[in-house]
Amino acid sequence: EDKVVQSPLSLVVHEGDTVTLNCSYEVTNFRSLLWYKQEKKAPTFLFMLTSSGIEKKSGRLSSILDKKELFSILNITATQTGDSAIYLCAGVGEYGNKLVFGAGTILRVKS
Amino acid sequence: NAGVTQTPKFRILKIGQSMTLQCAQDMNHNYMYWYRQDPGMGLKLIYYSVGAGITDKGEVPNGYNVSRSTTEDFPLRLELAAPSQTSVYFCASSYRTLYNEQFFGPGTRLTVL
Repeated sequence: EDKVVQSPLSLVVHEGDTVTLNCSYEVTNFRSLLWYKQEKKAPTFLFMLTSSGIEKKSGRLSSILDKKELFSILNITATQTGDSAIYLCAGVGEYGNKLVFGAGTILRVKS
Repeated sequence: NAGVTQTPKFRILKIGQSMTLQCAQDMNHNYMYWYRQDPGMGLKLIYYSVGAGITDKGEVPNGYNVSRSTTEDFPLRLELAAPSQTSVYFCASSYRTLYNEQFFGPGTRLTVL
């Protein structure tokens, strides 16, 4: 059975801190790994990773995939209160028609 | 584009009642999905569809039914509501791609009492 495990489940940091969120996966015929940010409503797309070692970057957020060790990390530097959210990762396998989500990491940034 | 829309936003049902959660997308996506999200549990796939007339079960299909008569619409039906179906329901859609970036609707918060 495919599974995605995220850690930590939750963390609290202060503004300006750097955080690293972890995502490990076991997905049959792995195709890609996606990161989403979920604030009060629907998840919004952050990154999609398909190749090992290539860093995807958007402002203070960056992510990297290790296909050999089957994990990905999401880094957030100089955190702001607006980064407070649930961060979800999801693996895509088989024929690309389903995502398997992890339980998410709840991030709270205190001012 | 409105993207993915869902109605209603909130609903309270009594045990045994039935209802349909509506989902529509205007991006001409082939793939559509229904998820439920319980606290601390991430998103669980209920049903999905790879095109009009084609649906398949996800991880947690029991107690739900779907249909896909058009590309745009993908309603989710609850026939006999149970307290275990209290959750937030998200509809999503994506292009026909192996990499599957999904776009989510705003969600429906359902409470069954």
